[in-house]
Amino acid sequence: GESVGLHLPTLSVQEGDNSIINCAYSNSASDYFIWYKQESGKGPQFIIDIRSNMDKRQGQRVTVLLNKTVKHLSLQIAATQPGDSAVYFCAENVGNFNKFYFGSGTKLNVKP
Amino acid sequence: NAGVMQNPRHLVRRRGQEARLRCSPMKGHSHVYWYRQLPEEGLKFMVYLQKENIIDESGMPKERFSAEFPKEGPSILRIQQVVRGDSAAYFCASSPGQPQDQPQHFGDGTRLSIL
Repeated sequence: GESVGLHLPTLSVQEGDNSIINCAYSNSASDYFIWYKQESGKGPQFIIDIRSNMDKRQGQRVTVLLNKTVKHLSLQIAATQPGDSAVYFCAENVGNFNKFYFGSGTKLNVKP
Repeated sequence: NAGVMQNPRHLVRRRGQEARLRCSPMKGHSHVYWYRQLPEEGLKFMVYLQKENIIDESGMPKERFSAEFPKEGPSILRIQQVVRGDSAAYFCASSPGQPQDQPQHFGDGTRLSIL
């Protein structure tokens, strides 16, 4: 399968600070990426997606950046809140949209 | 508008028994995907189905595992003669299918424990 990895397995931030979660992917042909949030005991929840013809996309309090040159994806969360504490996964898709490759996840701890 | 529904949420089986996991996709979704997740790991793709068709089963173990998505009713992931290594969380996701570039929406999974 494809290799999708994360630089930091655990990230601790203070409430109100900005968080940056990173993801490296190995397949230069990957053309669609999604960030998911997974809380304990629940399934992954869609946060934001980006296609390879874009390098930035913004949502509510979240921004995804895509650097195709170095095959790097990041998720920025503004004004991190306790409810943002979860494991975050990046997922990539190559060519078709029926199969995603997931990274191993980064656990985000938000300290009050 | 109900999301992806999976049941049971927890399933305990003894080695050698059969496990059946069910998934009802979101309303209007005709594409179903099954993933497996081990503790502290990401999700691993298993199989992609449309109604009455298996489209991609490249992630399914060659033996003991099967999946179906009948014309009526939920999708079923079936594991025969379970072994301890089958213990994991199994997640189902669904999508509308068309257009293709839409994210998959996940259920809350079935946690399978093998005694």
